[in-house]
Amino acid sequence: AQSVAQPEDQVNVAEGNPLTVKCTYSVSGNPYLFWYVQYPNRGLQFLLKYITGDNLVKGSYGFEAEFNKSQTSFHLKKPSALVSDSALYFCAVRDRLSGSARQLTFGSGTQLTVLP
Amino acid sequence: DTGVSQDPRHKITKRGQNVTFRCDPISEHNRLYWYRQTLGQGPEFLTYFQNEAQLEKSRLLSDRFSAERPKGSFSTLEIQRTEQGDSAMYLCASSSTSSSTDTQYFGPGTRLTVL
Repeated sequence: AQSVAQPEDQVNVAEGNPLTVKCTYSVSGNPYLFWYVQYPNRGLQFLLKYITGDNLVKGSYGFEAEFNKSQTSFHLKKPSALVSDSALYFCAVRDRLSGSARQLTFGSGTQLTVLP
Repeated sequence: DTGVSQDPRHKITKRGQNVTFRCDPISEHNRLYWYRQTLGQGPEFLTYFQNEAQLEKSRLLSDRFSAERPKGSFSTLEIQRTEQGDSAMYLCASSSTSSSTDTQYFGPGTRLTVL
């Protein structure tokens, strides 16, 4: 079974400050990891993914995420937050060894608010 | 790419009625997924197609739910005898087998309200 935990329901940060949204995962084998963002009444937009190789993954809109296998974490980061980054962020995982199982398992989401 | 589209965007129905949603995936994406998202939660997997074959179904997909993808392009999700607990956002996503990671791209969703 695979699972994702996003321990913070809400993260507040001042504009221009660095932001971190936390994610930990559990899979039987090795993971594919994803971050998505959701704006109000919209679907999910893909931000970035970890496949293999470099533990620091760069994605859209200046976001990056750091894969840490020993801590089973995949935290989302951005050096300088913008008010327009305010949204709901979801971490998701898929087990590479899941065979035909292609579905993503999502965390419960973290609401990011960037204060002007 | 025009992206994944879903229709309708909103649906309000009375308990006991049947509803049908449509999803058009990104062109040439051969995998299509349905998820359900309730307020305050992340999306939960319902079912998945590769071309026209329905390969996986979640336990969440009760007998009242049926999904089809008859020509391997668009898909429909039907809910029969709707219940208030069916109220949720229904999300469709698509991906391509040419992508080793099956990155899924989501549509805007259909918000269902059952009165």
